[in-house]
Amino acid sequence: DIQMTQSPASLSASLGETVSIECLASEGISNDLAWYQQKSGKSPQLLIYAASRLQDGVPSRFSGSGSGTRYSLKISGMQPEDEADYFCQQSYKYPRTFGGGTKLELK
Amino acid sequence: EVQLVESGGGLVQPGRSLKLSCAASGFTFSNYYMAWVRQAPKKGLEWVATISTSGSRTYYPDSVKGRFTISRDNAKSSLYLQMNSLKSEDTATYYCARQGSYLSPMDAWGQGASVTVSS
Repeated sequence: DIQMTQSPASLSASLGETVSIECLASEGISNDLAWYQQKSGKSPQLLIYAASRLQDGVPSRFSGSGSGTRYSLKISGMQPEDEADYFCQQSYKYPRTFGGGTKLELK
Repeated sequence: EVQLVESGGGLVQPGRSLKLSCAASGFTFSNYYMAWVRQAPKKGLEWVATISTSGSRTYYPDSVKGRFTISRDNAKSSLYLQMNSLKSEDTATYYCARQGSYLSPMDAWGQGASVTVSS
């Protein structure tokens, strides 16, 4: 199984600050990487797929990058509504595996 | 608008069975793979099952293989998860999710159904 290691587990950011979350796969996943946002008490929502493609309706301050085994999610200018848990998931092969999650809070 | 509405959750004793349902609307259900993903209390996400558009192919992680069965009824735009031999570690919120194709990400999610396995 492909292990997805996400870091940090939690972080706190000020309004307008740029934030980065990392995801490391145990083997190469050819950019088959998705990011999800889950606000408190809500279901997850797809933010980014294919490592860098923004899902329809997602604000442009969210961006994804990476290749091989290393990927990152960047939020350029933290907003109050960005406070949430974020998860990466590899869509390279089965079983589908998620990272452990990153809790992002507004400082 | 895409809608996925789960039902059938509840409290069940260890070793017993439970069946979840997911009613889909707002898209052509038969054109999409579908999946179940669960989240234990205060924990991360775990993929549970995926089914092909026709229902002929199903996929499971080892943690539920042989105990859980995913199925679908395209005529009713409905997805199901039959869970047998339930264990306490199956306690979680179960989400129904739309998956474009075999390796697509999950691009739409239901609100979740809570399953508690306890005596």
